[in-house]
Amino acid sequence: DAGVIQSPRHEVTEMGQEVTLRCKPISGHNSLFWYRQTMMRGLELLIYFNNNVPIDDSGMPEDRFSAKMPNASFSTLKIQPSEPRDSAVYFCASRRTGATNEKLFFGSGTQLSVL
Amino acid sequence: EDQVTQSPEALRLQEGESSSLNCSYTVSGLRGLFWYRQDPGKGPEFLFTLYSAGEEKEKERLKATLTKKESFLHITAPKPEDSATYLCAVQATNDYKLSFGAGTTVTVRA
Repeated sequence: DAGVIQSPRHEVTEMGQEVTLRCKPISGHNSLFWYRQTMMRGLELLIYFNNNVPIDDSGMPEDRFSAKMPNASFSTLKIQPSEPRDSAVYFCASRRTGATNEKLFFGSGTQLSVL
Repeated sequence: EDQVTQSPEALRLQEGESSSLNCSYTVSGLRGLFWYRQDPGKGPEFLFTLYSAGEEKEKERLKATLTKKESFLHITAPKPEDSATYLCAVQATNDYKLSFGAGTTVTVRA
């Protein structure tokens, strides 16, 4: 099992540029989560998908953030335009649908730096 | 709103010096309490799930316990490879998400 795969591992961009983060969940996992981690706020949930459908996006900070899950094996998180305060580590995590108290499996994260 | 508070923020131990990490939580109804380990530059890695007060789970030098208000992660005779940030998270009844604490960073010196 390859685990949750995220790309890129590191992204450095300038303020105002569009950033797209990518995630491939574990095969057979139908629930997908995007989290953001900072020193100040720790791990924060941004959005949750179940069976490719966004269920809760209340954690998405602003309209500049959007997420999609076109199929069971791929999700993107887009920031447009990016700002320096978006600098953080973004994690994707997945788990099996129906096992709502089953553990989450996390990817290695994308370290985003917006200059 | 679910709240998770971990203490201490940082813990420096000598190899072999046992200690405990605390996770205090407030949740309307607990579905599960999770412990994760996070190494620098990596995503959190699952350690334990606890479901009810009085439950205990062990893995190598780690033992997690749960009461109605808090959980402890005991590290017995730690080794340098136990150095990491340990995260606690709760999932409420009828909820899907995990709410995380800020973590405790443990450093074990040889």
